[in-house]
Amino acid sequence: KQEVTQIPAALSVPEGENLVLNCSFTDSAIYNLQWFRQDPGKGLTSLLLIQSSQREQTSGRLNASLDKSSGRSTLYIAASQPGDSATYLCAVSHKLSFGAGTTVTVRA
Amino acid sequence: NAGVTQTPKFQVLKTGQSMTLQCAQDMNHEYMSWYRQDPGMGLRLIHYSVGAGITDQGEVPNGYNVSRSTTEDFPLRLLSAAPSQTSVYFCASSPSQGVDWGYTFGSGTRLTVV
Repeated sequence: KQEVTQIPAALSVPEGENLVLNCSFTDSAIYNLQWFRQDPGKGLTSLLLIQSSQREQTSGRLNASLDKSSGRSTLYIAASQPGDSATYLCAVSHKLSFGAGTTVTVRA
Repeated sequence: NAGVTQTPKFQVLKTGQSMTLQCAQDMNHEYMSWYRQDPGMGLRLIHYSVGAGITDQGEVPNGYNVSRSTTEDFPLRLLSAAPSQTSVYFCASSPSQGVDWGYTFGSGTRLTVV
């Protein structure tokens, strides 16, 4: 059974600081890994999808890396803004297995 | 707008009542799934379907039924609601199961069982 862990559970940083969110998984036989953003009381918005054959993906200020052999992914958010405050979830497939998320607060 | 539509957005049920949560997608996705989200536990897979007429159980299927008569729709039925089923339910779809495509989620149904 795939176990996905996200550390830390919560993170508070001042505006402008870079964010580093960690995700680890126990079974390296994954198809892909997806990072989502969830605002309070809302659904999930896909941020980045990394295929199992890829090492990283980038979108604007977001960069996600994937190391299948060690069962780890890291989401970097550069120059954080108050609008980045949300819960960030990682999930691995094929049947999506989710971590519990990291709740980020960016202080103005 | 293309996407995954869930109805209702909010629902309050009494213990023992039954109801159906609706999920529809207009992207011709083969794969659809239902998750529940509880505080501190992330999302857990309830049931999934790899195509019309094919369904299977996920991690937490007890108390729920599904069917997939069309590609577009994947309803989730609560047979006899219990307080333990109070949760936020999300439906998701993907062109196929994993591999090269990501998942699209609906906006969720917040269910309270009293």
